[in-house]
Amino acid sequence: DIQMTQSPSSLSASVGDRVTITCRASQSISRNLNWYQQKPGKAPKLLIYAASTLHSGVPSRFSGSGSGTDFTLTISSLQPEDFATYYCQQTYSTLSLTFGGGTKVEIK
Amino acid sequence: QVQLVQSGAEVKKPGSSVKVSCKASGSSLRNYAITWVRQAPGQGLEWMGGISPLFGTANYAQKFQGRVSITADESTNTAYMDLNSLRSEDTAVYFCAREVGPWRWFDPWGQGTLVTVSS
Repeated sequence: DIQMTQSPSSLSASVGDRVTITCRASQSISRNLNWYQQKPGKAPKLLIYAASTLHSGVPSRFSGSGSGTDFTLTISSLQPEDFATYYCQQTYSTLSLTFGGGTKVEIK
Repeated sequence: QVQLVQSGAEVKKPGSSVKVSCKASGSSLRNYAITWVRQAPGQGLEWMGGISPLFGTANYAQKFQGRVSITADESTNTAYMDLNSLRSEDTAVYFCAREVGPWRWFDPWGQGTLVTVSS
């Protein structure tokens, strides 16, 4: 299976901060990388697909970049509603769609 | 607008089986694949497998091979995830989601079903 490693596993930030989360794949996955946001007790929500395409309705402060093995999710100006856990997911391997371990974004 | 509504919470004994349903509204199941993801308490997301009703094929994560069965009933627009030989480590929230496009993103998701395995 392709392993997905996210860093950091958690971070503390203030409203208005720029936040960057990284995701590294154990082998090249081209641009087959999606990002999700999950709040406590809720189902995940799609933010970005194909590494950098913003899903419909997602605020433009979210952006994604990368290809191959290294990817980033950036929140340009953190808002109160952005405090959540973020997951990357690779869909390159057609038989096994693995997630990263998650990054919890907390209020400083 | 596609919506996925899952069945209610379950409490099961070790060694038994559980079947979780995922009913779609707003579009026919035939038009897309359904995938299942679980999340143990305080843990991350784990992909279990999925089914393409159009092609009638399911594929499963190696970890669950032989223990999970994912099916779809087009007549009721409902997908099912059946997990057997339950153990305490299977205690988790189980989500279904629609799998979309060549990039295979998951959207929308069901609300989740808590399965508790306890003697």
